[in-house]
Amino acid sequence: GAGVSQTPSNKVTEKGKYVELRCDPISGHTALYWYRQSLGQGPEFLIYFQGTGAADDSGLPNDRFFAVRPEGSVSTLKIQRTERGDSAVYLCASSLKSAGELFFGEGSRLTVL
Amino acid sequence: QKEVEQNSGPLSVPEGAIASLNCTYSDRGSQSFFWYRQYSGKSPELIMFIYSNGDKEDGRFTAQLNKASQYVSLLIRDSQPSDSATYLCAVYSGGYNKLIFGAGTRLAVHP
Repeated sequence: GAGVSQTPSNKVTEKGKYVELRCDPISGHTALYWYRQSLGQGPEFLIYFQGTGAADDSGLPNDRFFAVRPEGSVSTLKIQRTERGDSAVYLCASSLKSAGELFFGEGSRLTVL
Repeated sequence: QKEVEQNSGPLSVPEGAIASLNCTYSDRGSQSFFWYRQYSGKSPELIMFIYSNGDKEDGRFTAQLNKASQYVSLLIRDSQPSDSATYLCAVYSGGYNKLIFGAGTRLAVHP
């Protein structure tokens, strides 16, 4: 398919472990966003890439969270020393331009035990 | 004050009625306004956007924007059970390069 692809769809890990979540955006979309959504809440902004660079990482909650997009396409969200409070659905979205018309992937549900 | 506020609902309407969903935002510099629909267990999908004051119609959907009042709304005419979902209001401020979402309003359309 031509949509945004996220892997894994589900990840269960233990507190303190390291986790990587991957996002493959729609081909040609230069803007890529990571959001986090908890039950009953709207998506919470984490980080925005324009090309290879992080144009805005103001939403990353702390230094345990890091994201990369080395070739301007696939992005990886990395979470170190996971905590139970990190449990959520992590959504990736891409856009042809950074103007709010986002196409979301199906998300990666992270559960930290 | 949250940046984007919505009534969490649920908003329950009978099939065929008009559903009215409302949203207020705090940043006066906001430029673009979006409505996303999210079915349970699925990801958000864009259904409408509006940039200028007034109304914008697309099929059964009408988005309304009043920048002076910092208010956005979505009307769904002839509501169908398939419209039952959470509707997320989102606001884009170019100065911040990010889309800020409200918590969403859950709509339930009953036959």
